[in-house]
Amino acid sequence: NAGVTQTPKFRVLKTGQSMTLLCAQDMNHEYMYWYRQDPGMGLRLIHYSVGEGTTAKGEVPDGYNVSRLKKQNFLLGLESAAPSQTSVYFCASSRGTYNEQFFGPGTRLTVL
Amino acid sequence: GENVEQHPSTLSVQEGDSAVIKCTYSDSASNYFPWYKQELGKGPQLIIDIRSNVGEKKDQRIAVTLNKTAKHFSLHITETQPEDSAVYFCCPGPGSYGKLTFGQGTILTVHP
Repeated sequence: NAGVTQTPKFRVLKTGQSMTLLCAQDMNHEYMYWYRQDPGMGLRLIHYSVGEGTTAKGEVPDGYNVSRLKKQNFLLGLESAAPSQTSVYFCASSRGTYNEQFFGPGTRLTVL
Repeated sequence: GENVEQHPSTLSVQEGDSAVIKCTYSDSASNYFPWYKQELGKGPQLIIDIRSNVGEKKDQRIAVTLNKTAKHFSLHITETQPEDSAVYFCCPGPGSYGKLTFGQGTILTVHP
């Protein structure tokens, strides 16, 4: 099992450009999450999904959109990147509310 | 929402010493208390968790203790080893659909 994978690993964007981050999990988990991690801070939840076709806002959703068309995939989109979105992005999945969240290796995004 | 504070922010110990990290939270409804470990360049990984009906849980060199009345829980690592060096996060909760609220993190350094 690959667990949770994320693509790409690194990306540099210019202000105003768009991009999509892909998260895939092979554990048949219902719940999936997108977090961002900034220096010296813990992870903050951007959006999450509790099943195929459903998404919801987390703590810091502004400037991001998500989609979960397939159970195993969770996409995070930036329509018009801003320097404030420079961060490391982590995807996670879990079986349920009181279950372990499994994290991907992260995507380091720089917006110039 | 949940307010989480972790102390200390950095902790330096000699190999073989014990390390203790404390987490305080605000939501009295919280009943799930996990600790995640993040190694450099990787995503967080669950190392131990406890439910509110239990006061203490131990797994080899790692233990978690909970004081629900005072709203704090602590991570204890005994006989520390250099490979314990990492950032540790407490995540009291859970929020709806398993959402985690991360503390600010504690950087643990174990010197050989």
